[in-house]
Amino acid sequence: AQSVSQHNHHVILSEAASLELGCNYSYGGTVNLFWYVQYPGQHLQLLLKYFSGDPLVKGIKGFEAEFIKSKFSFNLRKPSVQWSDTAEYFCAVMAYSSASKIIFGSGTRLSIRP
Amino acid sequence: SQTIHQWPATLVQPVGSPLSLECTVEGTSNPNLYWYRQAAGRGLQLLFYSVGIGQISSEVPQNLSASRPQDRQFILSSKKLLLSDSGFYLCAWSSGDRTEAFFGQGTRLTVV
Repeated sequence: AQSVSQHNHHVILSEAASLELGCNYSYGGTVNLFWYVQYPGQHLQLLLKYFSGDPLVKGIKGFEAEFIKSKFSFNLRKPSVQWSDTAEYFCAVMAYSSASKIIFGSGTRLSIRP
Repeated sequence: SQTIHQWPATLVQPVGSPLSLECTVEGTSNPNLYWYRQAAGRGLQLLFYSVGIGQISSEVPQNLSASRPQDRQFILSSKKLLLSDSGFYLCAWSSGDRTEAFFGQGTRLTVV
């Protein structure tokens, strides 16, 4: 069964700092990978996704993620964060063999100091 | 365009009472449907998912059940609520061919 680990539970950064949030998954086969964001008081939204092809995926609001198959990782990055990036970020995995079951990590809360 | 409706937004129920949360999707057919519970620091826990009418997969043994009486309707139920059932419940759908999931606004359930 697939699982997802997000090791950073709470990250605090100043504006303009660079961001990298870790995500590792456990599954030996082909996967789809996602990053979702939940802004305060809002519902979950898709930030970016990887299905196949270029392992460097660009999403909305300047975010990107890199799929490294050998490391089972899909880390989220942003070169320069803004106060408006304050939110909770969730990594998720869908294994091809699991009939579209989507498993989420425990989330990382990102706080940006203005 | 597709929309997902989940209600009620908040619910306070006494211990031992029944539960029924409803989720419907519009603008698509034969979606995959999901129920998640979100707890602080624990992320989103997949409770149930369904790939078709009457087809329910349970991920976590617990006091809850799910049903899909119609193609675009997904119901989360309990016969007798426990205090530990309190939480934030999210419904989601995907198009079924290995795409992302889209989430409803959620239901905050408090069992007292």
